[in-house]
Amino acid sequence: DTAVSQTPKYLVTQMGNDKSIKCEQNLGHDTMYWYKQDSKKFLKIMFSYNNKELIINETVPNRFSPKSPDKAHLNLHINSLELGDSAVYFCASSRGLAGGGSTGELFFGEGSRLTVL
Amino acid sequence: GESVGLHLPTLSVQEGDNSIINCAYSNSASDYFIWYKQESGKGPQFIIDIRSNMDKRQGQRVTVLLNKTVKHLSLQIAATQPGDSAVYFCAENMTPRGSYIPTFGRGTSLIVHP
Repeated sequence: DTAVSQTPKYLVTQMGNDKSIKCEQNLGHDTMYWYKQDSKKFLKIMFSYNNKELIINETVPNRFSPKSPDKAHLNLHINSLELGDSAVYFCASSRGLAGGGSTGELFFGEGSRLTVL
Repeated sequence: GESVGLHLPTLSVQEGDNSIINCAYSNSASDYFIWYKQESGKGPQFIIDIRSNMDKRQGQRVTVLLNKTVKHLSLQIAATQPGDSAVYFCAENMTPRGSYIPTFGRGTSLIVHP
């Protein structure tokens, strides 16, 4: 069984369009994340949710809006796509916040490669 | 800002050799560090972790060393195999605002030649 699954795996779209990437985890974890990985493999955190509550929003443009309907799902919606949004987006989950006694290990999905033309 | 960095972006080794991947961090308040391995087309996977109250931790063929004095972390892979070829990231637990922010370094590409 896939622990963290994201869909779609590949997404090609035109500038200005709106698109969504979905993420689900079946690990029973409390915290979920979205990371953006650029062409040089740099992984930058975008958002983090703990039990459906936003806890980290790292200077991401307002065009990006995460939604967590329940603690097993964290979806990413992107409005008015720009060329610079092209990247691989990774969803991840962890057992909880480090201060709460969790290991802090992240479990990643396989990534969603977004190409904006 | 504070960041996690790497000394070498690419490391090429021969099969059977030992590999050492280095990482420098700048947040002296970080108390937890993880090494991840990312194979092509996949997400990063946990390899080994270490807390700041330790200076060495060993796993299967891997050892992580932590030097808090110089804020340096290294991953040693013994008897490197072709299957070890991947990008390796160190990540630190940064808590600038009381929330755990897993922050990744830039990554080192390990290439193992048969």
